[in-house]
Amino acid sequence: AQSVTQPDIHITVSEGASLELRCNYSYGATPYLFWYVQSPGQGLQLLLKYFSGDTLVQGIKGFEAEFKRSQSSFNLRKPSVHWSDAAEYFCAVAGNNAGNMLTFGGGTRLMVKP
Amino acid sequence: NAGVTQTPKFRILKIGQSMTLQCTQDMNHNYMYWYRQDPGMGLKLIYYSVGAGITDKGEVPNGYNVSRSTTEDFPLRLELAAPSQTSVYFCASSPTDGYNEKLFFGSGTQLSVL
Repeated sequence: AQSVTQPDIHITVSEGASLELRCNYSYGATPYLFWYVQSPGQGLQLLLKYFSGDTLVQGIKGFEAEFKRSQSSFNLRKPSVHWSDAAEYFCAVAGNNAGNMLTFGGGTRLMVKP
Repeated sequence: NAGVTQTPKFRILKIGQSMTLQCTQDMNHNYMYWYRQDPGMGLKLIYYSVGAGITDKGEVPNGYNVSRSTTEDFPLRLELAAPSQTSVYFCASSPTDGYNEKLFFGSGTQLSVL
């Protein structure tokens, strides 16, 4: 069965600083990987996804993520964080059974200092 | 478009009570899902449906029931509420089961069982 680990429960960065959120996965075949963001009181919104091809994927809101098979990682990055980026971020891997069955990591809560 | 709508937003139940969490989507999506979100645990899939009249268990189905009589609606029923069911519940939908389809989430129902 697949699993996802997000080692950092909380991260605080200053506005304008760069950001990297870590994600490690365990999956027996080629993974399908996702990053979702959850703003307070809201549902989850897809930031970006990786299925195949270029290992560096671009998403919305200036985010990008890089798939590294050798490290089983799919870290999320942003060069300059804005105060509006404060939210909870979830990494997820798609299952290999019928249907779009995602397995989510525990999430990383991002706080942005002015 | 309203997207995915969940009601109620908040609810407090006593142990042993029953209730139904409502979910409706207006995007004509075939796939619908119920997740629960516990702090630090990410989202766990409770039940999912691939179309009207078809439902299946996810990772944590015990204590819950679902039905899918129409494409639009996917209610989640708690028959005998227990404190372990205190959580935030999210309904989601997607057009197909393709891995390139993102999930559309509702804004959640916060449930407390006391």
